Amino acid sequence: NAGVTQTPKFRVLKTGQSMTLLCAQDMNHEYMYWYRQDPGMGLRLIHYSVGEGTTAKGEVPDGYNVSRLKKQNFLLGLESAAPSQTSVYFCASRKDGDYGYTFGSGTRLTVV
Amino acid sequence: SQQGEEDPQALSIQEGENATMNCSYKTSINNLQWYRQNSGRGLVHLILIRSNEREKHSGRLRVTLDTSKKSSSLLITASRAADTASYFCATVTKAGGTSYGKLTFGQGTILTVHP
Repeated sequence: NAGVTQTPKFRVLKTGQSMTLLCAQDMNHEYMYWYRQDPGMGLRLIHYSVGEGTTAKGEVPDGYNVSRLKKQNFLLGLESAAPSQTSVYFCASRKDGDYGYTFGSGTRLTVV
Repeated sequence: SQQGEEDPQALSIQEGENATMNCSYKTSINNLQWYRQNSGRGLVHLILIRSNEREKHSGRLRVTLDTSKKSSSLLITASRAADTASYFCATVTKAGGTSYGKLTFGQGTILTVHP
């Protein structure tokens, strides 16, 4: 099993450009999450999904959209990138019940 | 907002010593989890302790939970240089219909173990 795979691993965007971050998991997990990690801020939840076709807002959703058309994939979109979105983005998934999350290795995004 | 607050922010010890990290939180929880993050890598789940549990062990890890004080501690015994990483506590609040097991993270403790 590959676990949680994030693509791309690195990306540099110009302000105003758009992009999509892909998260794929092969563990048949119901729940998927997108977090961003900034220095001194810990991880903050952007959006999450409790199953195929469902999404919900987290703590810092502004400027991002998500889609979960297939159970194994959770996409994070930036429609018009801003320098404030420079961060490391982590995707995670978990199965139903009291279980820990499985995290991807992250996407380092720089918006210039 | 941060649910968990770790203490200390940074900890430096020698190999073989024990490392203790503390976490405090604000609201009632369903469970509390500890994660490790090596530099530039993703987070790895270490251990989960439920609100009705007081102590849990996994290898060299020992986690305690005091719900009356809203605090937890992570003890790593006989530390190794490979334990050098950031350690995060994260809480899942009591199910309120919409929490869906969302983890809320603290800012982490940076542990450095010197050979």
